[in-house]
Amino acid sequence: QVQLVQSGGGVVQPGRSLRLSCEASGFTFSSYTMHWVRQAPGKGLEWLTNILYDGTIQYYAASVKGRFTNSRDNSKNTLFLQMNSLRAEDTAVYYCARDRTGTGGGMDVWGQGTTVTVSS
Amino acid sequence: DIQMTQSPSTLAASVGDRVTITCRASQSISNWLAWYQQRPGQAPKLLIYKASTLESGVPSRFSGSGSGTEFTLTISSLQPDDFATYYCQQYNSYSLTFGPGTTVDIK
Repeated sequence: QVQLVQSGGGVVQPGRSLRLSCEASGFTFSSYTMHWVRQAPGKGLEWLTNILYDGTIQYYAASVKGRFTNSRDNSKNTLFLQMNSLRAEDTAVYYCARDRTGTGGGMDVWGQGTTVTVSS
Repeated sequence: DIQMTQSPSTLAASVGDRVTITCRASQSISNWLAWYQQRPGQAPKLLIYKASTLESGVPSRFSGSGSGTEFTLTISSLQPDDFATYYCQQYNSYSLTFGPGTTVDIK
């Protein structure tokens, strides 16, 4: 079935780096724009970044631009989020999501979420 | 960036009630708006896209309307599964934004 399986979360010290992964199955991954969204504890959803189907273009929220890098390996059906210079305020559950590319928009498939805790 | 607001932030309702949530954009987004439901501990679920198109598999008691800067999500007859938080999200610009959410509680 169509699914996104995430991995890579954990506890990291401020200033350090972490890479999240999101493996897709059940659909043609290379045809879809993909997003990362996060949710801080007790807070709402925050869109972070997206990447076009072929990986050529990415857009970022101001809060992560210059620190986070969104990339993909279409040969491995996997999306990545490289997070550098992590701060306490980056503590959140991180979700990857599929864009309904070319069929009206919205994010129709979500990963299960992975928790990132930035703490010394 | 386009800012999104929602009202109310919380509401208490009973099973069978009609519920309406409003979402406003800081500038026109045409109909490039989605609604999501999120239950505690779960990933968000897409309910509606393009302001009024029901996602496949979503019950018909959910409906969306609006265009430009003002949008509504309506649940025609609230069911026990519907007690959750609802978010709107615009995708008119390259920088997407979510509304702050509306929590629907049991009265």
